[in-house]
Parts: sequence; structure tokens; C-alpha cells
Amino acid sequence: SQQGEEDPQALSIQEGENATMNCSYKTSINNLQWYRQNSGRGLVHLILIRSNEREKHSGRLRVTLDTSKKSSSLLITASRAADTASYFCATGPALSGGSYIPTFGRGTSLIVHP
Amino acid sequence: DARVTQTPRHKVTEMGQEVTMRCQPILGHNTVFWYRQTMMQGLELLAYFRNRAPLDDSGMPKDRFSAEMPDATLATLKIQPSEPRDSAVYFCASGRTGDAKNIQYFGAGTRLSVL
Repeated sequence: SQQGEEDPQALSIQEGENATMNCSYKTSINNLQWYRQNSGRGLVHLILIRSNEREKHSGRLRVTLDTSKKSSSLLITASRAADTASYFCATGPALSGGSYIPTFGRGTSLIVHP
Repeated sequence: DARVTQTPRHKVTEMGQEVTMRCQPILGHNTVFWYRQTMMQGLELLAYFRNRAPLDDSGMPKDRFSAEMPDATLATLKIQPSEPRDSAVYFCASGRTGDAKNIQYFGAGTRLSVL
């Protein structure tokens, strides 16, 4: 079974609006990552949040992590048409040495209309 | 600019044929992952190598799929014989253990169509 599940499956917004995507997971984790996939391309790492962090920022991205609810959210502020892509969270059960085998959900497909 | 290289980018073959997909991980990375992506199943982990040793291939159909790392610069995924249900995009990703981040760097994928 998949460790991370994104919600919603699809999101359609206008340029300039904010986009929020959520991720739920099942077991305790060391960290959680968000990736983006443009059409026809491989996934690209966006941001990582550690299990002892609650919030992290990177440019227009804001990630939160609630380990008590086993959930994370990715907020893209002031969205642009170029943000149109699928967004995935990745995490996995903690293994020895701090590593884990990351698994991905099905992703949230974001469309930003110009 | 270091990147993961996958070949071929596209492959069309007939059912029953052998398919070999290749991946060159980023120099210095010691973990390699193979994923399969379809609309129905999303992104599925097929195999995971660390220091060229297979650590997890539980997601891979063993009867027809095989994954190897002949050396540190090459990972291969073979399907023999191929079936129409194997049609998907296959991604290779590499990374480094030791920093506990497990960030993966993906190739552009091989789009496989089995007729």
C-alpha cells in the first residue's frame, strides 16, 4: 500500500490565487518531501521537511507538517501558469540509520489558468 | 549539470519481445530506484539498489522483470516477455544515503508501449 496519499486529485485555479495540496501518510517518518512533475518529465524535488519541523518555506512554497495527524500540506502562493504540474509527496517508514524507502502517492494535478 | 540519463526515451514493441531499459545514475550516487507510472496505479516502486546491491524488488513481477546494476554507472531493467499491460512510463532515480534526506533525482523516463 502507498505511504503517501495526496488530496485533492485535481485542482484548477486562476493565476494569482493560492493552491493548497494535502498529503496523508500512515507510519512514523524521518522526513517528508514534495516533488513536482511537469507533463512528460521526471519528478523534481521541491522541498523537504523533517519530522521535528512544523513549517518550512522556500520562495512561494510553504510546507507544513503535523505528525500527530500524519499529514502535510503544500501551499503555493500567487500561483503562475508555469506552476501547472502534478505534485507528489514522498515519505516512508523510518529504517535504521535514518534512511527509508520513499513511496509516492498518486499526486495532485494542478492547473493554473492564465 | 549532473542528471540521471535514461535510454531509450520511447520504445514501441510487440507482445512477447524482450525490452531493456537503461539508466545512468548521477556520479557519486549510491542508491538507484526503478519506478513505473501509469494513470491507474500512479507511481509504483519496482526495485531499489544501494551500493549496487538489490535491497527491495518486492514491487516487481519476478516472472518477467529483472533489474541489475552491472557497475556503478549503469542500471538496467528488463522485461521478458513483454505484455500489453506493461505499457507505462518507467523512471529511474538516484540518490545518496548517509545524509538521511533520501532526496531522489529522476531521469526523464522511458515511455514503453507494448502492442
